[in-house]
Amino acid sequence: SAVISQKPSRDICQRGTSLTIQCQVDSQVTMMFWYRQQPGQSLTLIATANQGSEATYESGFVIDKFPISRPNLTFSTLTVSNMSPEDSSIYLCSVEMGGETQYFGPGTRLLVL
Amino acid sequence: DQQVKQNSPSLSVQEGRISILNCDYTNSMFDYFLWYKKYPAEGPTFLISISSIKDKNEDGRFTVFLNKSAKHLSLHIVPSQPGDSAVYFCAASSGGGADGLTFGKGTHLIIQP
Repeated sequence: SAVISQKPSRDICQRGTSLTIQCQVDSQVTMMFWYRQQPGQSLTLIATANQGSEATYESGFVIDKFPISRPNLTFSTLTVSNMSPEDSSIYLCSVEMGGETQYFGPGTRLLVL
Repeated sequence: DQQVKQNSPSLSVQEGRISILNCDYTNSMFDYFLWYKKYPAEGPTFLISISSIKDKNEDGRFTVFLNKSAKHLSLHIVPSQPGDSAVYFCAASSGGGADGLTFGKGTHLIIQP
């Protein structure tokens, strides 16, 4: 497995602002993923972020709202732009270490007022 | 439409007995299945997985059974311990690891002393 950290662990933001979430892994990984868990809901994939290529977004998620960077094999950022209360969620990054198993970071708890 | 379903939002089991958590899926393209455990304020922790070419995988107290014809899998925990109290998520993937995971809504397992 891998040690995955996320910053910030939680934040409270005003509507209309943006927040950038960082994900750091202790080893080099090719595939990183970003998920969202809305209150009382399941985890939903936002996008796949591979180093050296543009992120691939799932249906219902767009780059203008959730821009992603993947500058190297150990780091990625997800920005939640122009936030509204509906963006209040837990945002999680994960990595695939070979095979098909993903390992998750601790999550970022976001509350938008 | 939910492609991975966990129909029991919660399950209460006495310590020392067997816990059985169930999961159904609808997408025939899924070929890899995983169970994650999640404590409050933490990210999901990988527990055990199974490939579609198998019908059983065991790891210590945890066994996952897969019935492809019924599109059903289950997680057995024997014996159940107080530390097993958590939310358990069933997840599935296709595409050999290049795709993200599709999650169920989770089952809250409560182990009674």
